[in-house]
Amino acid sequence: DGGITQSPKYLFRKEGQNVTLSCEQNLNHDAMYWYRQDPGQGLRLIYYSQIVNDFQKGDIAEGYSVSREKKESFPLTVTSAQKNPTAFYLCATYGQGNGTDTQYFGPGTRLTVL
Amino acid sequence: DQQVKQNSPSLSVQEGRISILNCDYTNSMFDYFLWYKKYPAEGPTFLISISSIKDKNEDGRFTVFLNKSAKHLSLHIVPSQPGDSAVYFCAAQIRGGADGLTFGKGTHLIIQP
Repeated sequence: DGGITQSPKYLFRKEGQNVTLSCEQNLNHDAMYWYRQDPGQGLRLIYYSQIVNDFQKGDIAEGYSVSREKKESFPLTVTSAQKNPTAFYLCATYGQGNGTDTQYFGPGTRLTVL
Repeated sequence: DQQVKQNSPSLSVQEGRISILNCDYTNSMFDYFLWYKKYPAEGPTFLISISSIKDKNEDGRFTVFLNKSAKHLSLHIVPSQPGDSAVYFCAAQIRGGADGLTFGKGTHLIIQP
């Protein structure tokens, strides 16, 4: 069954701790993205990767880091430098499906920093 | 500077009537536009898209209209059903560009019985 997996669904961390959110895809898409959603803010791009071993900063990359060692995986680390890390994080890929090029989203991870 | 704007945070429509969601953009380089539907605590799901070479695309109850001169697009849902209650995001892209979609802030559509 093709798709994007994000785990866990809910994540709690203490302030000052780094935390890594996982994103795995079996759609064979080259491009992967991380967004965060805050109430009333829509989706804002954190990082994206067009190909393995390459990634680019999005609009709000400060306090985050990523790696892309495998095509299937694009983990996001929320570091202690991120001022307001509590948010809903969405991973996405970009590719063709149903004859249309579009972004496909995972189910999201709700991160709460206590 | 917001390049994709959805000026209505929420919209309430009676079941069976037409829902019209609006979106404006400022970047004339955008040439591909998409609508996504999102339920709480879930990822957005793709709904419908339109290329800038067209002015209308229809898929079942959903139709997207594009007015390039006005830099405006709209999503029509007819007839509206209770399951259509969700947040709808408008997104735009420069095809062939390296970065991701640019999203609006979303419109919360509420279908009333």
